[in-house]
Amino acid sequence: ETGVTQSPTHLIKTRGQQVTLRCSSQSGHNTVSWYQQALGQGPQFIFQYYREEENGRGNFPPRFSGLQFPNYSSELNVNALELDDSALYLCASSLDRTSVYEQYFGPGTRLTVT
Amino acid sequence: ILNVEQSPQSLHVQEGDSTNFTCSFPSSNFYALHWYRWETAKSPEALFVMTLNGDEKKKGRISATLNTKEGYSYLYIKGSQPEDSATYLCAFFGNEKLTFGTGTRLTIIP
Repeated sequence: ETGVTQSPTHLIKTRGQQVTLRCSSQSGHNTVSWYQQALGQGPQFIFQYYREEENGRGNFPPRFSGLQFPNYSSELNVNALELDDSALYLCASSLDRTSVYEQYFGPGTRLTVT
Repeated sequence: ILNVEQSPQSLHVQEGDSTNFTCSFPSSNFYALHWYRWETAKSPEALFVMTLNGDEKKKGRISATLNTKEGYSYLYIKGSQPEDSATYLCAFFGNEKLTFGTGTRLTIIP
């Protein structure tokens, strides 16, 4: 198992609410990426943070936002939840932001929006 | 929109047999190709990161090759074991992000 942890494990929210998901990176990693995995699809890139700054974003609306803290842990915030936001959310940390470094994934947070 | 395609979608292999599957990706703006193994109820685990055309990497019974000019990578498993049952994901790094395929779900039949 990697040293990446995520909380909570499962979460049920109502449409229109807001949610915050948390990720603790592997020790020594300064980069964290967030992914959404809907049923039957591969993980979709949401955004990446490098040394507390956003370093790239996928095709997700602005109601998906994030933060990275000085200890390199991270949060994913989703506002105005929609039914389609129901998915597994994965975070992954890496040693640096370049492509040559493998990503270490957490176990994910399963979000259900009703 | 980048297309990363994996085939087959699922595969059943007898224990002891060897198998392989494919990842296709854009041949332009290539930086790296990642392979991950994702066992049920666990986190995805990195297998390989490949960057150069012609790269071949090996970890135990698992190996991978890379052809960046034609945009494909093969993953090989020799002498499949029950613990190889998992979903195998490839991911293309280009345009500053990692784009995943939908995976190949491998089931080893004892």
